[in-house]
Amino acid sequence: GAGVSQSPRYKVAKRGQDVALRCDPISGHVSLFWYQQALGQGPEFLTYFQNEAQLDKSGLPSDRFFAERPEGSVSTLKIQRTQQEDSAVYLCASSRTEGREKLFFGSGTQLSVL
Amino acid sequence: GENVEQHPSTLSVQEGDSAVIKCTYSDSASNYFPWYKQELGKRPQLIIDIRSNVGEKKDQRIAVTLNKTAKHFSLHITETQPEDSAVYFCAASIGRGSTLGRLYFGRGTQLTVWP
Repeated sequence: GAGVSQSPRYKVAKRGQDVALRCDPISGHVSLFWYQQALGQGPEFLTYFQNEAQLDKSGLPSDRFFAERPEGSVSTLKIQRTQQEDSAVYLCASSRTEGREKLFFGSGTQLSVL
Repeated sequence: GENVEQHPSTLSVQEGDSAVIKCTYSDSASNYFPWYKQELGKRPQLIIDIRSNVGEKKDQRIAVTLNKTAKHFSLHITETQPEDSAVYFCAASIGRGSTLGRLYFGRGTQLTVWP
């Protein structure tokens, strides 16, 4: 595709609900990243995939957060039992090669947990 | 891990003036420094980047400088225009080992250019 696509654009969840956020990276991009951006802050790293392999998940804030990229293209970030502090914009980014730093970001999913 | 500090948090300039945003980083192993522009409600977009083997890079009205000794890099925008108004983020990447490709971001600078 023309760019990184994320859906949904907005998600409102009641505390305790599970949510799933989708990312379609640029076609052929090897690396895929998830970042969390709180209001008024810079993006914070969550996790990194190289093709289907999750090479770094050190940024995931708790075991309620889970990400997958089973076929090395589309990725899903799942948050179980959402809490108010999970409210943020979740950004997906991809890059052409492994470890290549030029990241192309999606528009993000704004998650609001009530 | 890497820690990136960014200043100022807000910056207001008159159209046509220059704007400078400064960042420092903590890990001397960092070797890649991109700058992103983010308009309200939109995705961060890469505007310029620099690698540690280069001291300065220019692209039209935008320039970035890097001082590896001081662990300091800056974004310079000349002849500012109202459409330059946005939040600007600096970032650093160590680019090897377990943190390969991972970016560490500053907290952002809200730039407002008044016509």
